[in-house]
Amino acid sequence: DAGITQSPRHKVTETGTPVTLRCHQTENHRYMYWYRQDPGHGLRLIHYSYGVKDTDKGEVSDGYSVSRSKTEDFLLTLESATSSQTSVYFCATGRRDSFSNTGELFFGEGSRLTVL
Amino acid sequence: QQQVKQSPQSLIVQKGGISIINCAYENTAFDYFPWYQQFPGKGPALLIAIRPDVSEKKEGRFTISFNKSAKQFSLHIMDSQPGDSATYFCAGKWSGGSNYKLTFGKGTLLTVNP
Repeated sequence: DAGITQSPRHKVTETGTPVTLRCHQTENHRYMYWYRQDPGHGLRLIHYSYGVKDTDKGEVSDGYSVSRSKTEDFLLTLESATSSQTSVYFCATGRRDSFSNTGELFFGEGSRLTVL
Repeated sequence: QQQVKQSPQSLIVQKGGISIINCAYENTAFDYFPWYQQFPGKGPALLIAIRPDVSEKKEGRFTISFNKSAKQFSLHIMDSQPGDSATYFCAGKWSGGSNYKLTFGKGTLLTVNP
């Protein structure tokens, strides 16, 4: 295991409330990613980070923001949750050499978010 | 805009049979094509990957075939086993300077019947 911990693992919230998901890694990997997984859509990239304080948008970034103030933590924030953001969220990390040479990412076990 | 198209959406195979999952990509900037395997309740994990200058890569019962001119690649699982039942994702890796990211297909749910 790549030592990736996602929290919370399960959360139910109401429309309009802010939500923060945390990804913590112990592997000192440079790259970190947030994906969402939905039936019929597969894995879609929300935001990613290629270093501390260096982040960029993915394909479905609207309504989400991220922060990475230190190597080990990558936070995903839903400023005002909507029902369309009900999903399973996966954090992934990548080591520069293995990711660049093989495309290998290490995934956490996911955070299931339900927005009522 | 889907850059990696994957088919079929689901697949049922008998034990001992061959499972074949196909992917097509649009972005010629992809420089690596990994396949991921995901079991229920778990995150995906790298299964096997191929570079675009290689036509085939085999690891045990798993083989990737790659056709660069057609922009297509496929995963073959020989002698499929019930333990292979999982969701499989193909992906393309994009590299831009020091930035790397994966674009995934929509996934194939494989069921191997005993």
